[in-house]
Amino acid sequence: GESVGLHLPTLSVQEGDNSIINCAYSNSASDYFIWYKQESGKGPQFIIDIRSNMDKRQGQRVTVLLNKTVKHLSLQIAATQPGDSAVYFCSSGGYQKVTFGTGTKLQVIP
Amino acid sequence: DAGVIQSPRHEVTEMGQEVTLRCKLISGHNSLFWYRQTMMRGLELLIYFNNNVPIDDSGMPEDRFSAKMPNASFSTLKIQPSEPRDSAVYFCASSRDRSGVAEQFFGPGTRLTVL
Repeated sequence: GESVGLHLPTLSVQEGDNSIINCAYSNSASDYFIWYKQESGKGPQFIIDIRSNMDKRQGQRVTVLLNKTVKHLSLQIAATQPGDSAVYFCSSGGYQKVTFGTGTKLQVIP
Repeated sequence: DAGVIQSPRHEVTEMGQEVTLRCKLISGHNSLFWYRQTMMRGLELLIYFNNNVPIDDSGMPEDRFSAKMPNASFSTLKIQPSEPRDSAVYFCASSRDRSGVAEQFFGPGTRLTVL
């Protein structure tokens, strides 16, 4: 029979363009947020984090924005490269409680 | 540091057999997480330890699954008896969890196939 899998939202971006990946979280008590990147055949890897007392944090080519009012998190990748192709997860948590989002697949078109 | 170490990397077994997955934490980390990842359900947290004590095991599917931390640097996840629906990639992650949630460092995963 036909198998049904988890439908990951997919974002296709031209190489060199900027990417924006979004995530909604449900627990208003969450005070720490992380974006992870998972490449094919590997475990998730930390990209950037942000605490709830901040709205924005920048890393190298990546920026995380946090909107606590609407419980929304976004990851912006500048000048997207083929090596950025992966599944991106957001995680939110507070003391001894962590929740992962379902993930977004980023496809970079050369 | 070698990072989180998991073994075996691949395991193929027959239904009804016992499976033991192993994880070595990064030195100095005191929190340990076991996850399961499938196409159907994505990444699921199974159980979380802090200082060797299970904090949240609400994600453990059923009594066939058990996890232990015999010491501060090592953990096992056991499935007995295994079933085909247990086929998945199992990840172990560790973190230096002082006052709350911290970055998790994931191992390479164990790909389990139950025939």
